Amino acid sequence: AQSVSQHNHHVILSEAASLELGCNYSYGGTVNLFWYVQYPGQHLQLLLKYFSGDPLVKGIKGFEAEFIKSKFSFNLRKPSVQWSDTAEYFCAVNADTGKLIFGQGTTLQVKP
Amino acid sequence: DAGITQSPRYKITETGRQVTLMCHQTWSHSYMFWYRQDLGHGLRLIYYSAAADITDKGEVPDGYVVSRSKTENFPLTLESATRSQTSVYFCASSATSLQETQYFGPGTRLLVL
Repeated sequence: AQSVSQHNHHVILSEAASLELGCNYSYGGTVNLFWYVQYPGQHLQLLLKYFSGDPLVKGIKGFEAEFIKSKFSFNLRKPSVQWSDTAEYFCAVNADTGKLIFGQGTTLQVKP
Repeated sequence: DAGITQSPRYKITETGRQVTLMCHQTWSHSYMFWYRQDLGHGLRLIYYSAAADITDKGEVPDGYVVSRSKTENFPLTLESATRSQTSVYFCASSATSLQETQYFGPGTRLLVL
């Protein structure tokens, strides 16, 4: 069965620190990859997505992610986090079933 | 542009009662989805619908019923609520296929006592 694994469940950073959140999936075929963000009290919003082409994808608010097919990974990065980045981040993969499979989520807390 | 709305936003009910959560979208998207969000599990798909009168099970469909008589509405019914169904429920939609970006509603927080 397809699965998505987010290695970090809870990350605490100070402002201006760099961020990398890991995401691995278990499917060998063609995939569409997403990162969603859920700010406190708000609904999920799309941060960025990868369907094809350049494996380095840039999203909103300075986030980017790199698709490494050989590692089945789609890690999210941001060079310098802000307090307003405090949120829960979900990696999701859409493969042969067409259904979106979510990781468990990573809670990011940025200290001012 | 209202987008996708859910009602109620908060609901408290008792074990054994029937509860219906509403989802409405104004984009005329073909696909609609229901997820539940639980700590440690992320979001899990309950049911989805490809069009009016077409629905299919997701990962955790037991105890839930859906219908889609109109494209814009996709209600989720808990026929006999159980404490394990205490969760946050999100409705989502995508334009024309399962593979496209899904857009989420604000969620319904359900507590079953």
